[in-house]
Amino acid sequence: GQQLNQSPQSMFIQEGEDVSMNCTSSSIFNTWLWYKQDPGEGPVLLIALYKAGELTSNGRLTAQFGITRKDSFLNISASIPSDVGIYFCAGLNYGGSQGNLIFGKGTKLSVKP
Amino acid sequence: DTAVSQTPKYLVTQMGNDKSIKCEQNLGHDTMYWYKQDSKKFLKIMFSYNNKELIINETVPNRFSPKSPDKAHLNLHINSLELGDSAVYFCASSPRGATYGYTFGSGTRLTVV
Repeated sequence: GQQLNQSPQSMFIQEGEDVSMNCTSSSIFNTWLWYKQDPGEGPVLLIALYKAGELTSNGRLTAQFGITRKDSFLNISASIPSDVGIYFCAGLNYGGSQGNLIFGKGTKLSVKP
Repeated sequence: DTAVSQTPKYLVTQMGNDKSIKCEQNLGHDTMYWYKQDSKKFLKIMFSYNNKELIINETVPNRFSPKSPDKAHLNLHINSLELGDSAVYFCASSPRGATYGYTFGSGTRLTVV
């Protein structure tokens, strides 16, 4: 089945630094999504991307849908302690009545105050 | 109001038992899902279900079965629990076609002893 390669697997950064993570796939997706998971909680949607080449921001977060539709990246600027968590990319192909959301393996972000 | 709610939050049980996890969504979504998150935090889809179609991931043992009494509920029933079933299980829902991604519950941590 489809698989997403997400990197890096983990990051340890200083508060205030910028962060970048990316996701690649061997096949194309109609939609790319980025989720964040806090400890003990479910994934929460951060950004959704619908068109190849699309660049979207949500506060300090910026994400792009790759031109080839096989990749996406997420940038976090000026990181703060509450950015700590696991970030997942997800690719979605939808058709008919149901979509099929495939997740990357996650990037664990640690922020040192 | 919680959009997607799961109960229980934690479940500890012995091998061989049968258990159920309940899920309810108040978003009016057409489709519901169950995901399994393993110890490495990898999220893998188990089932997707709407009132017309059940799609089962072929890797899911037949000891696992989804049961939907109505559109707003999708419960997960597990027979003859095994040690390897220990994981966090997430319920999710989406509108028809899942164009905007999924909304996740906060998870049920299942521990089989």
